[in-house]
Amino acid sequence: DIQMTQSPSSLSASVGDRVTITCRASPPITTDLAWYQQKAGKAPKPLIFGASNLQSGVASRFSGSGSGTEFTLTISTLQPEDFATYYCLQHDSYPRTFGQGTKVELK
Amino acid sequence: HELLVESGGGAVQPGGSLRLSCAASQFIFNTYDMHWVRQAPGKGLEWVASIIHDGSRKYYGDSVKGRFAIARDNSWNTLYLQMNSLRDEDTAIYYCARERAVAAGAHLDSWGQGTLVTVSS
Repeated sequence: DIQMTQSPSSLSASVGDRVTITCRASPPITTDLAWYQQKAGKAPKPLIFGASNLQSGVASRFSGSGSGTEFTLTISTLQPEDFATYYCLQHDSYPRTFGQGTKVELK
Repeated sequence: HELLVESGGGAVQPGGSLRLSCAASQFIFNTYDMHWVRQAPGKGLEWVASIIHDGSRKYYGDSVKGRFAIARDNSWNTLYLQMNSLRDEDTAIYYCARERAVAAGAHLDSWGQGTLVTVSS
């Protein structure tokens, strides 16, 4: 099974900051990894698929990169509506596996 | 706009059974693989099970294998999750989700609102 290790588990940031979240895959996968944003009490929302492709309707300040073992989600300029929890999910093979999540909080 | 609506959640005692349903509309259900994802209170997301578009293949997470069964009825545009031998640790919000697969990669592009399952004596 593929294990996804996500870091950090939480971070504190200010509006306007650049934020980077990492997921590491073991064993390595292709680029079939997606990122999701979840706000309290809501279903997750897709942000990025195929490691670097922006989901339609998602703000361009979100970007993704990586392949193999290391993947990153970057928010270039943090906005008030971006305070949420973020998850990676590998779609490379079954069983699917999520990262543990990263909670982005207001500093 | 595609719509997924879960139902069937509720309170059940340990060892009991429950069947969740997910009614799909506004898209061609039988062309999409479907998934169940759950979230225990205060915890992260956990992938539970998946079923291929025509129902020919099913996949399960280790924590539910042998106890849960995923199924679909493409005539009724409905996804199911039969949950047996329920345990306290199965308490969670259960989401159904649609997987969109394109050349660049797959992702869960549409989610239901979730249904709460509480396992407690």
